[in-house]
Amino acid sequence: GAGVSQSPSNKVTEKGKDVELRCDPISGHTALYWYRQSLGQGLEFLIYFQGNSAPDKSGLPSDRFSAERTGGSVSTLTIQRTQQEDSAVYLCASSSLAGDSFNQPQHFGDGTRLSIL
Amino acid sequence: GDSVTQMEGPVTLSEEAFLTINCTYTATGYPSLFWYVQYPGEGLQLLLKATKADDKGSNKGFEATYRKETTSFHLEKGSVQVSDSAVYFCALSDPNTGGFKTIFGAGTRLFVKA
Repeated sequence: GAGVSQSPSNKVTEKGKDVELRCDPISGHTALYWYRQSLGQGLEFLIYFQGNSAPDKSGLPSDRFSAERTGGSVSTLTIQRTQQEDSAVYLCASSSLAGDSFNQPQHFGDGTRLSIL
Repeated sequence: GDSVTQMEGPVTLSEEAFLTINCTYTATGYPSLFWYVQYPGEGLQLLLKATKADDKGSNKGFEATYRKETTSFHLEKGSVQVSDSAVYFCALSDPNTGGFKTIFGAGTRLFVKA
């Protein structure tokens, strides 16, 4: 597609349930990032994937959070046994590694708004 | 470690006023610097960037100059419009970390009144 696509756009679930959030990056982008944006807060880095390298999971807040990226494209972020403090907008971004990778901007999806009741 | 600090908001201005949103950074290398904008109900999008010292990024009337001596990348616009109301994020990408871990500031919310 033309941009980063995330689904669902909204998710409401009960405390204790597991949720899966999906991200389709821009075709050809090898770097993929997940962030969390809580109400009135900045972006909290969660995890990134780059090509076939081991992902940087240093931002995951607890072992209830995990992410996969299959075939170097689509990624899913899974939150197990959700808690109310997990309520936030989860943003996915992708970027190209062409040229100098650190010059490449990230392209963001519209996010998934997760509400835990 | 690397970090980005930007002025706290919200910033409230009248239309046609001059805007400055301060951003300073710390980095071990020579990072690329970015401003992203998030309009109400929309996703983040790149506003402008600068990749080396003294570079000036510009877009939609906004400008920011990469100042290595003061480790700053302040965002400016000479005459804001109501449509500029949004949250602005300063960010850096450090080649010492492969550029993969972009660090974002906390964001500054701008309200422009007609």
